[in-house]
Amino acid sequence: GAVVSQHPSRVICKSGTSVKIECRSLDFQATTMFWYRQFPKQSLMLMATSNEGSKATYEQGVEKDKFLINHASLTLSTLTVTSAHPEDSSFYICSAYGTGGGLFFGSGTQLSVL
Amino acid sequence: SQELEQSPQSLIVQEGKNLTINCTSSKTLYGLYWYKQKYGEGLIFLMMLQKGGEEKSHEKITAKLDEKKQQSSLHITASQPSHAGIYLCGADIGSGNTGKLIFGQGTTLQVKP
Repeated sequence: GAVVSQHPSRVICKSGTSVKIECRSLDFQATTMFWYRQFPKQSLMLMATSNEGSKATYEQGVEKDKFLINHASLTLSTLTVTSAHPEDSSFYICSAYGTGGGLFFGSGTQLSVL
Repeated sequence: SQELEQSPQSLIVQEGKNLTINCTSSKTLYGLYWYKQKYGEGLIFLMMLQKGGEEKSHEKITAKLDEKKQQSSLHITASQPSHAGIYLCGADIGSGNTGKLIFGQGTTLQVKP
């Protein structure tokens, strides 16, 4: 079946540093990728929609300068948390929507900012 | 904007008992997904419903979408400890199948042996 690879699965960083998370569709092309954030005991909140070759569309309240999204190809989208702070600590998960209409989620990244 | 309301928020059942989780939308559902998750881990896809009145089953889990396409239910028969986790319903925001989902707040299920 279709697989979405998300790396790293877990990252710990110091406050003020930037962290890059990769979301890769392994055996299909993704016209669109989505990024979600999940705080403890809460549901998934959509952060942004990423389309290959164009600027990402951010949901209301999500800072585009803090959460940089790059969708360089039909199989790769990256989320960079810039100047991370402890309040950015969260579980980040991506999904990829295939050209054939299937939707698949990555395994998520647990970010801890010290 | 569309909102999803899940109920109950948490559930504790004895092993072997049946249970139902509901997901109600403020707008018509064009694509409704059910996932299982443990916090901090990825989502396990359970089922996806699109048509009014549609019902799908996998092993001991059955999901239904009502005729009006505004409510879905997830039913687990003869629950087991392996069913424990967080159940999330997700709705496709677009009028078609876009992949852009909003999620309900989740239902945490505990199954006591």
